This record gives sequence, C-alpha cells and structure tokens, in this order.
Amino acid sequence: GQQLNQSPQSMFIQEGEDVSMNCTSSSIFNTWLWYKQDPGEGPVLLIALYKAGELTSNGRLTAQFGITRKDSFLNISASIPSDVGIYFCAGPQGGSEKLVFGKGTKLTVNP
Amino acid sequence: NAGVTQTPKFRILKIGQSMTLQCTQDMNHNYMYWYRQDPGMGLKLIYYSVGAGITDKGEVPNGYNVSRSTTEDFPLRLELAAPSQTSVYFCASSYPRGIDNEQFFGPGTRLTVL
Repeated sequence: GQQLNQSPQSMFIQEGEDVSMNCTSSSIFNTWLWYKQDPGEGPVLLIALYKAGELTSNGRLTAQFGITRKDSFLNISASIPSDVGIYFCAGPQGGSEKLVFGKGTKLTVNP
Repeated sequence: NAGVTQTPKFRILKIGQSMTLQCTQDMNHNYMYWYRQDPGMGLKLIYYSVGAGITDKGEVPNGYNVSRSTTEDFPLRLELAAPSQTSVYFCASSYPRGIDNEQFFGPGTRLTVL
C-alpha cells in the first residue's frame, strides 16, 4: 500500500528557532494534511493542502504541496514551547476516504 | 459540540479479558474510524465505517471487532486481550466532501494488557 516517509524522526531545538520537516511518498497524493498531536491528546488538523504547488499558512506555520504531488513540507517559524508535540503528515489512501499517516516528527523545544 | 469523545481514558486488562472501547461523535459525521498508535509507529487503521450498519477492516483488524448501529456510536471490542494489544487507541470521524476529508480525533484510550 501507499506509505508516507517523514523526516526527521525527531528534532531538538531552542525556543525562537525555525523548524522544517517534510513528508515524501513514492505515490501521488491529491491532498496533503498536516496534524499535530500534543502529549496525551489526539491529533488535530493544522493545515490542509489540495493543489500541487499550493503554499498555505496558519499563523507561524507554513505548508507546501510539492509540485510532483509526491511530497509536502511544513515549516514553523520562531518556535515556542507549546509547539512541542508530534507532527504527522497524512493523505487519502488510493483516493479513498481512508487516510494513510506518516510515522511522525517529534519536536522538542527547549526554553 | 463535544466533538469525538472516548471512554475510558485509561484501562489495564489481564491477558484473556475482554472489553469495549466506547466512541461517540455529535457532529453527524457518517464516517468513523478506529486507529491504534504504538510508540514511533504513527497511526494504524483497525476498522472503519462509512455509515450505520456498514463496517470494514483496516490495516490491523485481527483481535478486534466493531459494530455501528447508530450514526453517533462506533464501539471497538477486544475479545481476548493480548499483550500485543497494549497501545493507545484513537477514534476519529469525518464527513468527506470531495477532496476534503479532514478527520477529527478523540482524546484516546490508553490500554495496557498484562
């Protein structure tokens, strides 16, 4: 089946630094979703991307839908302690209502 | 709206015991899903439902059963608990509209099987 590869697996950064993470696949996706999971909680949608080349922002977060449709990037600017958590990329599996998730990027922000 | 609610939050089971994880959503979503999350492994789909009375297997269905008698509820049943079922379980729901398939997640149930 389709797989999503996220990198890096984990990041340790200082407060105020910018963060960049990405998600790649060998298959084409028509939608890219970025979720954040706070410790002890369920994932929450941050940004949804629906068009190749699309660049979308949500506050300090910016995500891009790769031109090839096989990758997506998430950037966080000026990180703060509450950015701590696991960030997942996801996309529809085979165009269906089922989502396939990456394994996540765990972010730690040191004050 | 409460969104997606799950009970219990935590549970410890002995090997061979059974239990039902409850999931309810109040958003009138027709699609509901059950995932398990193991450390460093992301989310794996156990079962899903596209509407009341309709369920289907996901990637890792063995050892689990589901039912969907109403739009709101989607319980997950473990019949003979095994240590391999120690995990965090998340329920989610969605109302797919074309390419928009945002899934809304519950807070999770942390299950330990000893």
